[in-house]
Amino acid sequence: NAGVTQTPKFQVLKTGQSMTLQCAQDMNHEYMSWYRQDPGMGLRLIHYSVGAGITDQGEVPNGYNVSRSTTEDFPLRLLSAAPSQTSVYFCASALSLNSGGDEQYFGPGTRLTVT
Amino acid sequence: GENVEQHPSTLSVQEGDSAVIKCTYSDSASNYFPWYKQELGKRPQLIIDIRSNVGEKKDQRIAVTLNKTAKHFSLHITETQPEDSAVYFCAASNPGTYKYIFGTGTRLKVLA
Repeated sequence: NAGVTQTPKFQVLKTGQSMTLQCAQDMNHEYMSWYRQDPGMGLRLIHYSVGAGITDQGEVPNGYNVSRSTTEDFPLRLLSAAPSQTSVYFCASALSLNSGGDEQYFGPGTRLTVT
Repeated sequence: GENVEQHPSTLSVQEGDSAVIKCTYSDSASNYFPWYKQELGKRPQLIIDIRSNVGEKKDQRIAVTLNKTAKHFSLHITETQPEDSAVYFCAASNPGTYKYIFGTGTRLKVLA
């Protein structure tokens, strides 16, 4: 199993540009999520999905869109990049968050810089 | 909204000493409390977790305790080693909201 994969590893955007960060998992996990990590702020939840066709907002959803057309893929779209979106983005997945909760497995991250 | 507070933000200990990191959560419906370790430039990885029906869990040198009444949980690392140096994150998840909320992290430095 490849686990959780993310592309690209690094990206530089100009203000106003749009792009999609890709995330895929091959573990048949129901739950997938996107986080951004900024110094001193920990990991903040952007959007999450509990299954194909179902997504919801996390703590910091503004400026980002997601979709989940398949169980495996959960892309994150930046609609119009802003310098405040400079961050490291992690995708994660878990078998399920029902009942007792589950370990989340993280991808390697995407380092995004917006100039 | 849901919130997880984590203290301290930085912690330095001598090799061989113990380290304790504490977290407090706000959502009383949270029932799963994992701890993640993140080394520099790497992804977070689970080191130990505890569920709400258990008060304490131990795995070799690391242990986690949970006080549901007070809504706080702690990570204990004994006999610290230089390779324990990393950033540690606590988290709490609520199966009803499907949200998994992280604390702001603790940078642990183990001095040789």
